[in-house]
Amino acid sequence: ETGVTQSPTHLIKTRGQQVTLRCSSQSGHNTVSWYQQALGQGPQFIFQYYREEENGRGNFPPRFSGLQFPNYSSELNVNALELDDSALYLCASLNTGVNEQYFGPGTRLTVT
Amino acid sequence: GEDVEQSLFLSVREGDSSVINCTYTDSSSTYLYWYKQEPGAGLQLLTYIFSNMDMKQDQRLTVLLNKKDKHLSLRIADTQTGDSAIYFCAEGSNAGNMLTFGGGTRLMVKP
Repeated sequence: ETGVTQSPTHLIKTRGQQVTLRCSSQSGHNTVSWYQQALGQGPQFIFQYYREEENGRGNFPPRFSGLQFPNYSSELNVNALELDDSALYLCASLNTGVNEQYFGPGTRLTVT
Repeated sequence: GEDVEQSLFLSVREGDSSVINCTYTDSSSTYLYWYKQEPGAGLQLLTYIFSNMDMKQDQRLTVLLNKKDKHLSLRIADTQTGDSAIYFCAEGSNAGNMLTFGGGTRLMVKP
């Protein structure tokens, strides 16, 4: 167990809807990264949050947005869902300056 | 851009050694990681190596890094059925700790 938790575990949404996924980072970690893992592929970096601000972004459109809260937990929001957004969404927490990233169990999102 | 490549599949017998290989393209990579993913689960950090090292050993795991060839390998000694999983290598730089992952190698261990 890494101490990183995510909710919900599974989610089914319809194309065009909006979704919010949540992540609680490991105690003592001040940075959260989000990744999208499509079936049969490796995770792809979406963005990272540090001190409540976006601190790096991968090749994802603006309809993917996030927040980080003062307790370092984080949300990933996806607007106007598309079928290709169906994936496992993973968050990882770390402490800046320490190079170990620990992943949560993920949220499996299905868009129909 | 950065690219990380892995072979798709490896099958070994229980008790044998497994060697999973990975190549990467980003010469600015600072850290290289190995993660394990079991079915329906998140990623478990197994080990990582700093780019100025060429080997790291941690119990049954040995990581070898050839920085000149941008080649990374993970050797699992005395492979057990519980080692069956997908193994991902990933590279990261100091710039924000963004990780770039390979597509994963599925390791199957036969009893």
